[in-house]
Amino acid sequence: AQSVTQLGSHVSVSEGALVLLRCNYSSSVPPYLFWYVQYPNQGLQLLLKYTSAATLVKGINGFEAEFKKSETSFHLTKPSAHMSDAAEYFCAVSAGENNNDMRFGAGTRLTVKP
Amino acid sequence: DTEVTQTPKHLVMGMTNKKSLKCEQHMGHRAMYWYKQKAKKPPELMFVYSYEKLSINESVPSRFSPECPNSSLLNLHLHALQPEDSALYLCASSQIEGAREKLFFGSGTQLSVL
Repeated sequence: AQSVTQLGSHVSVSEGALVLLRCNYSSSVPPYLFWYVQYPNQGLQLLLKYTSAATLVKGINGFEAEFKKSETSFHLTKPSAHMSDAAEYFCAVSAGENNNDMRFGAGTRLTVKP
Repeated sequence: DTEVTQTPKHLVMGMTNKKSLKCEQHMGHRAMYWYKQKAKKPPELMFVYSYEKLSINESVPSRFSPECPNSSLLNLHLHALQPEDSALYLCASSQIEGAREKLFFGSGTQLSVL
């Protein structure tokens, strides 16, 4: 079965600073990887996904992530944090062709300081 | 219309009550999901419906009973719940059931069981 580990339950950055949220995956077959964002009292919204095409994936709101097979990583980055980026971020993995068995990481809470 | 709509947004119920959560989407998606999310935790999959048929049931107690009356609607019937069932219940949909499909989430129903 596949799984993801998010390193750091809480990340704090200053407005304008680089955002780096870490995610490592484990999967016995080529994985599909996702980053979702959750604002307070809301559902999850997809930021970006990797589905075995380009390894550098660009998403919404200026976020991007790079799939690195050698490091089994899929870290999320944004060059310059904005106050509105403060939220909970979840990395998720699923695998196989027909199996829908998405597993979410524990989440990372991003705080942006003025 | 790219929304998944959940009602009610908040629900308080006693352990002897019977209530239902509703979810609706008009994106033509043929897979719909129920997730349970406890505070500060990732979502956990409960049920998956694919083409209105129950596809995955993640060993959920029988006090939770899903129903998919048609391709746009998904219900979750609740009966004799326990206080530990208090959580955010999220509905999601995707084009089809598949590992590479992205999920569209509703805003959830915040359930409190007294």
